[in-house]
Amino acid sequence: RKEVEQDPGPFNVPEGATVAFNCTYSNSASQSFFWYRQDCRKEPKLLMSVYSSGNEDGRFTAQLNRASQYISLLIRDSKLSDSATYLCAVNFATGNQFYFGTGTSLTVIP
Amino acid sequence: DVKVTQSSRYLVKRTGEKVFLECVQDMDHENMFWYRQDPGLGLRLIYFSYDVKMKEKGDIPEGYSVSREKKERFSLILESASTNQTSMYLCASSLPHARGKGYTFGSGTRLTVV
Repeated sequence: RKEVEQDPGPFNVPEGATVAFNCTYSNSASQSFFWYRQDCRKEPKLLMSVYSSGNEDGRFTAQLNRASQYISLLIRDSKLSDSATYLCAVNFATGNQFYFGTGTSLTVIP
Repeated sequence: DVKVTQSSRYLVKRTGEKVFLECVQDMDHENMFWYRQDPGLGLRLIYFSYDVKMKEKGDIPEGYSVSREKKERFSLILESASTNQTSMYLCASSLPHARGKGYTFGSGTRLTVV
């Protein structure tokens, strides 16, 4: 079983739509959680951290469900510029290493 | 702006060549990592380092080695390049336990072995 799993998609949504991605993790002792955005042929860039209480940054909301061991990313009012691959990253309590999901591809259609 | 710099964006090497990929960070980060990224497989950890002259194997270290002689520089070495090492290589750095900031990635090196 993989440490971190994501639905690869692709998700094709119209502009203005709301879309949500989930990411499940296997280690219940996981401590830190992040969402990254990766544009085609570019490096991943940090989008937002995920806190136990959930957090919001403009149109983006990230949430953590420890009981079910998943994190989520919600994008409201999708823009064409949101088209990218979204990666989740999970840090287990025992070390500095992050485990990444394989990414979820999003295309926002005009 | 903080940066992780990888020496080359694109490289083409021949089978059997020894290949050096360089990564330099200017953030005084203790942790540095080398990943490769392949379609459908995501990011896979090759090696990482928590301190100067320290290294640990990741999930796929075979065929690779690393060097960290200075805190800011972490080099990945392909001892004898093979075609199955054609990939996107990403270097990253972080504070210990990421301290809420996660990784900062370099812009990547797309290596083709022919």
